[in-house]
Amino acid sequence: GEDVEQSLFLSVREGDSSVINCTYTDSSSTYLYWYKQEPGAGLQLLTYIFSNMDMKQDQRLTVLLNKKDKHLSLRIADTQTGDSAIYFCAARPGAAGNKLTFGGGTRVLVKP
Amino acid sequence: GAVVSQHPSRVICKSGTSVKIECRSLDFQATTMFWYRQFPKQSLMLMATSNEGSKATYEQGVEKDKFLINHASLTLSTLTVTSAHPEDSSFYICSVQGDTEAFFGQGTRLTVV
Repeated sequence: GEDVEQSLFLSVREGDSSVINCTYTDSSSTYLYWYKQEPGAGLQLLTYIFSNMDMKQDQRLTVLLNKKDKHLSLRIADTQTGDSAIYFCAARPGAAGNKLTFGGGTRVLVKP
Repeated sequence: GAVVSQHPSRVICKSGTSVKIECRSLDFQATTMFWYRQFPKQSLMLMATSNEGSKATYEQGVEKDKFLINHASLTLSTLTVTSAHPEDSSFYICSVQGDTEAFFGQGTRLTVV
């Protein structure tokens, strides 16, 4: 089955860029997602990328996908203290009824 | 706006009682919904796939009789934790998936005392 991995922790200074990395194993993963979770809250969908894309940008967020290496990254430009949270990547094969496989989450701490 | 509404957000119950958690799809009709459980400082673990009008599909190791799922309409799935015990205390989150996007509810913090 699919295995999704992320680094555990990232510390970044306010105003710098953050890059969170994720790897997955199943080449049939069609949709790749990034979620943000703040303490005690559910998951907020930040962005997603379709497997035939290399890059997707949405305001401060840039997703890069290297399908050959099965590597996904999320770059947050001008990181703010409000960006401190846990970030999860997730992978899903094509159809809407297919389940997501989550990485373990990366805790991002933004220092003033 | 919210796509998925989950209720309640927090619940405390006594051991041996049952608790029902609701998950509503607000923006579209969902033939399939997903229920996850999250332990502190851990990732999400899929418990079951809720199928409208038919039985839920449970992941390996999840007790069907313990975690009852009902998906009676295209906008509502419920998870009932039966005969709850302290080890059932956790954060439960539901999810609705469209063709491309996957949205999650706000989560329910269950504490069994």
